[in-house]
Amino acid sequence: DAGVTQSPTHLIKTRGQQVTLRCSPISGHKSVSWYQQVLGQGPQFIFQYYEKEERGRGNFPDRFSARQFPNYSSELNVNALLLGDSALYLCASSTGWATRHEQYFGPGTRLTVT
Amino acid sequence: GQQVMQIPQYQHVQEGEDFTTYCNSSTTLSNIQWYKQRPGGHPVFLIQLVKSGEVKKQKRLTFQFGEAKKNSSLHITATQTTDVGTYFCAGRDNFGNEKLTFGTGTRLTIIP
Repeated sequence: DAGVTQSPTHLIKTRGQQVTLRCSPISGHKSVSWYQQVLGQGPQFIFQYYEKEERGRGNFPDRFSARQFPNYSSELNVNALLLGDSALYLCASSTGWATRHEQYFGPGTRLTVT
Repeated sequence: GQQVMQIPQYQHVQEGEDFTTYCNSSTTLSNIQWYKQRPGGHPVFLIQLVKSGEVKKQKRLTFQFGEAKKNSSLHITATQTTDVGTYFCAGRDNFGNEKLTFGTGTRLTIIP
């Protein structure tokens, strides 16, 4: 079975631009969560979606938004990019709510903002 | 907001020695998860603890959840080179927030 997939693998953007990151969960998983991981730090929770509804939100500005589609895939959008948004963005899927079930992480999207 | 700290930040051990990382939360947790992240890789789920005082074992790994559900530990017996990586705890607070807070991580390196 395929694991969690994310696209693109790497991305370079300029300050002020907008970016969309994509995630496909493991087949049968209904929950997708997004994390930001800055080099040398632990993942920071951004959003959790379960059954296409937002179920949890971390301490990120409104420039960050996400959605989950009927096939349970998800997109993370970041507007007005700042240099500090440079990080590895991880998507994780789980059968139930991410905070209560084993999560399977994708390989991540490495975003560089210049 | 909730903070989850881990100590030590780094640990270098000789192969065959034991290793322990400690996780401390500023608030009571509903549950705690442990993940391992190899260099250049993504986090991989190890285990989840839910009950106060719970102890779970996976081969050479022993996980413990504190009685007050504010701390946890991971102990590895007789480390091997395959144990290299950063170990993170991640907890959900007790306030009904569906938000998982990851700890600061402990990076383990093994000296062969």
